[in-house]
Amino acid sequence: DAGVIQSPRHEVTEMGQEVTLRCKPISGHDYLFWYRQTMMRGLELLIYFNNNVPIDDSGMPEDRFSAKMPNASFSTLKIQPSEPRDSAVYFCASSFGQQPQHFGDGTRLSIL
Amino acid sequence: GQQVMQIPQYQHVQEGEDFTTYCNSSTTLSNIQWYKQRPGGHPVFLIQLVKSGEVKKQKRLTFQFGEAKKNSSLHITATQTTDVGTYFCAGRNTGGFKTIFGAGTRLFVKA
Repeated sequence: DAGVIQSPRHEVTEMGQEVTLRCKPISGHDYLFWYRQTMMRGLELLIYFNNNVPIDDSGMPEDRFSAKMPNASFSTLKIQPSEPRDSAVYFCASSFGQQPQHFGDGTRLSIL
Repeated sequence: GQQVMQIPQYQHVQEGEDFTTYCNSSTTLSNIQWYKQRPGGHPVFLIQLVKSGEVKKQKRLTFQFGEAKKNSSLHITATQTTDVGTYFCAGRNTGGFKTIFGAGTRLFVKA
């Protein structure tokens, strides 16, 4: 049974570049979450979707961040322009209703 | 807004010693979940507690949910090196859906 799939696993890019992170949730799950994890700030919820609709984006740090979910099997988190302080591990997670969340392996992002 | 505080931030133990991490919420929770993240890995769900005063066990791990449903604890008996990682609690407000993660407790086990 495939879990949550994220790509890329690692991304290294120069500041100012656009970064796009991708996520495929578990089939049948109706909630999708994007998290950012750093040593300083821990695990932060950025945004979550229910049935492809963004419900709460209060955790999105600023306008440089945007997330979309065009269909039930795909979501993107975009950073434009990227800055060194955006360096972190970004996790996508999905769940069915209020069941526990299943996390992907994460994308380790480094902005130089 | 809702806050979930978790202590301690770090804990170093000798293999065989016990370990406990505590989680406190500023508001009443409808449920609390516990996750474990191995170094370099992703959070993995361990258990969910729903009822006031609930206690659940998984082998050497004991999970408790407070009577007021505002606090929880995870206790590991006789730690092993395989227990190394960060343990997160995650609470959901009554009447809400958003789940808030605590900062996590990172456990180091010395063989």
